[in-house]
Amino acid sequence: ETGVTQTPRHLVMGMTNKKSLKCEQHLGHNAMYWYKQSAKKPLELMFVYSLEERVENNSVPSRFSPECPNSSHLFLHLHTLQPEDSALYLCASSQGGTGLAATDTQYFGPGTRLTVL
Amino acid sequence: DQQVKQNSPSLSVQEGRISILNCDYTNSMFDYFLWYKKYPAEGPTFLISISSIKDKNEDGRFTVFLNKSAKHLSLHIVPSQPGDSAVYFCAAALYNFNKFYFGSGTKLNVKP
Repeated sequence: ETGVTQTPRHLVMGMTNKKSLKCEQHLGHNAMYWYKQSAKKPLELMFVYSLEERVENNSVPSRFSPECPNSSHLFLHLHTLQPEDSALYLCASSQGGTGLAATDTQYFGPGTRLTVL
Repeated sequence: DQQVKQNSPSLSVQEGRISILNCDYTNSMFDYFLWYKKYPAEGPTFLISISSIKDKNEDGRFTVFLNKSAKHLSLHIVPSQPGDSAVYFCAAALYNFNKFYFGSGTKLNVKP
C-alpha cells in the first residue's frame, strides 16, 4: 500500500450504532488530519494530530472521538450520530514534526462516505 | 461564514483552450494559498501553491495568480486537456499554521 488509505470506503449506520473509521499513512509523516465534507459545502477541518498529540479540535461534537495510537494510524470513533453527520470524511497526512506550517503539504486519502439513517 | 468562496460550481471548456478558475477570500491575514484537484472516488491532490509575497506562480500548464488587494486568486490551465476534468478546490491559510480554509470547489469539464 502507498500513500494514505482509508477504510471502509462506504459506511451506513443507524443513529444508535457505534462504528470507527480508520486511516493509515505509508508516507512516514508525523501529522494527521480528519476533515468532513458535507454535500455542496467546503472541506471542514475536524482534528489535527502532530507527533500523536492532538493539536487542533475544531469545535467538533463529542459524538466524534479521534484516536491516534501512532504516527501511521488515525481513527475516528463514531457514536449516536445524527443524519446531518452524513458526509464524506477525509483523512490527510503531512510531514509535520515539531511545528506545522502551511507549506507542509497535506496528502489526502480517498475518504469514507458515511450515511447515517 | 465562509472565508473562502468559489462562486462558480462548474465550468466547461473546450480542449486546448484556457480554463480559468476563480476563488475569493475574506480574511486579509491569509498569506498562503493553494489549489487541490480531486477526481471522483479519490482524495484531493495538491496542485500548486502561492505565498502572499508573490503575485504569480507557474508550474507547467498551471499558473496561479494572486491579487491581494482584491482578495482574489485564480488558477489558469493552458492548454486544457480532457484529463484535467475534475473538481478544483482553492484553500487559504496563515503561513505559520497548517489550518486551511477551503472553498466548496469548481467542477471543470474539458470537452474533447
